[in-house]
Amino acid sequence: DAGVIQSPRHEVTEMGQEVTLRCKPISGHDYLFWYRQTMMRGLELLIYFNNNVPIDDSGMPEDRFSAKMPNASFSTLKIQPSEPRDSAVYFCASSRALAGGAGELFFGEGSRLTVL
Amino acid sequence: AQSVAQPEDQVNVAEGNPLTVKCTYSVSGNPYLFWYVQYPNRGLQFLLKYITGDNLVKGSYGFEAEFNKSQTSFHLKKPSALVSDSALYFCAVRINNAGNMLTFGGGTRLMVKP
Repeated sequence: DAGVIQSPRHEVTEMGQEVTLRCKPISGHDYLFWYRQTMMRGLELLIYFNNNVPIDDSGMPEDRFSAKMPNASFSTLKIQPSEPRDSAVYFCASSRALAGGAGELFFGEGSRLTVL
Repeated sequence: AQSVAQPEDQVNVAEGNPLTVKCTYSVSGNPYLFWYVQYPNRGLQFLLKYITGDNLVKGSYGFEAEFNKSQTSFHLKKPSALVSDSALYFCAVRINNAGNMLTFGGGTRLMVKP
């Protein structure tokens, strides 16, 4: 398997523009997670899905952020409008639904977003 | 609520010496504990996990971790460090049957010097 695939790897945009980050999870995985990594705040869980349904979006910073998972093989994280403080590395991860939640997460390589 | 703490921002060790990266956790139920490693400009890679059973867990690249329930700790160890082990290490916790969500610690940078 190719692992979790994220695109783009790097994105530079101007404040106010819309940004869309994409993720293809590992085939057969039931869970998909979006994390954000910054120097100041470390790794933050933004939202996660189970079987394409959003389960917990309490980590989404504000209404400018939205995430969708239209099918089992694709998810998007959208920021509109983007702001400089959104600059971060955004990771997508997926996992199987093992008994009791024992499955580890598999991470993509991340999308580095810079908002000027 | 569940949380993990990695008390050291950075650990320095000489190549060939044993290394320990510390992690303590706080959960209200039975914890599942994980270690991940992140190399520069890469995603997190899974190293090992503790679910149940033997308190000493062996993982990738010669790493191991010991689950200590009384001290609520899950320290990562390796008998002989390599320069190539230099990276950022994350401890993470999940309560069993709480979905698959992981809560990560702040990370510890390991620097192995030749």
